[in-house]
Amino acid sequence: SQQGEEDPQALSIQEGENATMNCSYKTSINNLQWYRQNSGRGLVHLILIRSNEREKHSGRLRVTLDTSKKSSSLLITASRAADTASYFCATVAPPGNTGKLIFGQGTTLQVKP
Amino acid sequence: DARVTQTPRHKVTEMGQEVTMRCQPILGHNTVFWYRQTMMQGLELLAYFRNRAPLDDSGMPKDRFSAEMPDATLATLKIQPSEPRDSAVYFCASGLEFKETQYFGPGTRLLVL
Repeated sequence: SQQGEEDPQALSIQEGENATMNCSYKTSINNLQWYRQNSGRGLVHLILIRSNEREKHSGRLRVTLDTSKKSSSLLITASRAADTASYFCATVAPPGNTGKLIFGQGTTLQVKP
Repeated sequence: DARVTQTPRHKVTEMGQEVTMRCQPILGHNTVFWYRQTMMQGLELLAYFRNRAPLDDSGMPKDRFSAEMPDATLATLKIQPSEPRDSAVYFCASGLEFKETQYFGPGTRLLVL
């Protein structure tokens, strides 16, 4: 069962451009995480934002969270060909200590050199 | 560099055969998760262990799937009998209780003919 929906499903941009992916979810959350999956590989954790946070940065990544709209966005600035991957948002329900992640369907990002 | 390992990486079997997938979590991690990824359903949580005890296997078809942790260094997922609809990539992830990040293995790609 999917908690969230991601938008767009696929995104193609040129190297150097910014990429923005959106995630919407349905129920209250303790935190929301973003993961990256390269083709044929496992998922890699990128960034976590808690329900009481509105924005977080990590290197070229910027994540925002709007709990009133039950949505989050992931911005990758100055994209590189190596950023080509699928990106998933995942939510953790309160109280948060179960560790259970509910994943969205993902956005496939292609960065053209 | 600590990693989650999974074996086998690829498995092709015939309908009705038993399939066993193994996972070695990162040493010291006390939570283990099994996920299944398909194009149609995306990433689904199958089972979740904490300190080797099964906490949630509600996502797992009970009649044919079973998950165990014989010891802290080994988690297994068995399908008996396997069916073509079980064809998917099965991921194991591990983590630490109260730490929300999960570390994924490379996955087992299963094809049931």
